[in-house]
Amino acid sequence: DQQVKQNSPSLSVQEGRISILNCDYTNSMFDYFLWYKKYPAEGPTFLISISSIKDKNEDGRFTVFLNKSAKHLSLHIVPSQPGDSAVYFCAALGGGTSYGKLTFGQGTILTVHP
Amino acid sequence: NAGVTQTPKFQVLKTGQSMTLQCAQDMNHEYMSWYRQDPGMGLRLIHYSVGAGITDQGEVPNGYNVSRSTTEDFPLRLLSAAPSQTSVYFCASSGGGKTYSYNSPLHFGNGTRLTVT
Repeated sequence: DQQVKQNSPSLSVQEGRISILNCDYTNSMFDYFLWYKKYPAEGPTFLISISSIKDKNEDGRFTVFLNKSAKHLSLHIVPSQPGDSAVYFCAALGGGTSYGKLTFGQGTILTVHP
Repeated sequence: NAGVTQTPKFQVLKTGQSMTLQCAQDMNHEYMSWYRQDPGMGLRLIHYSVGAGITDQGEVPNGYNVSRSTTEDFPLRLLSAAPSQTSVYFCASSGGGKTYSYNSPLHFGNGTRLTVT
């Protein structure tokens, strides 16, 4: 049972435009959400996070939005650059466990065309 | 500044063989974990450790053993490899102490690509 879902396996956008990556979750106990970025042959690297007490967090070109009632979060990249082409994973933390265990989505492959 | 180091980068095993995937970190992190990445499945937690001498199971622990004798090292052992264990394995660590800290994201190694024939 996938508690964190990224329903779009891939996304293609033009350089300079906005990229919007989506993520849905089912466990209402999750209270912290993160986005990771992964290039081929490398490990994932942390990008941005948001606590469930907020609905928006911004860091440069990256903004994460959280809609708790819909159990939905999204990552906006504006403007998109070719170097942003990578796999993006959303992840959630909490869920009522004694120790933190990150639960990841399946990932979305973002391709930014020059 | 090595961070999290995984060896080997690639490995091919035959069904039934055993091997150990090595993971070392030089950041003095208490929390370490192993994930596997499979197409369409994302990253799934295999085992984790909140400090030397303490380990626990994640989402997909069957077929894997771990131990944590030092803060730096967290090896993953496959006792009898199966084709279903063909995957990319990532080790990760965090400086968040004995629980994963919201302010201390996971640092990942570059992965080990394992093929079991």
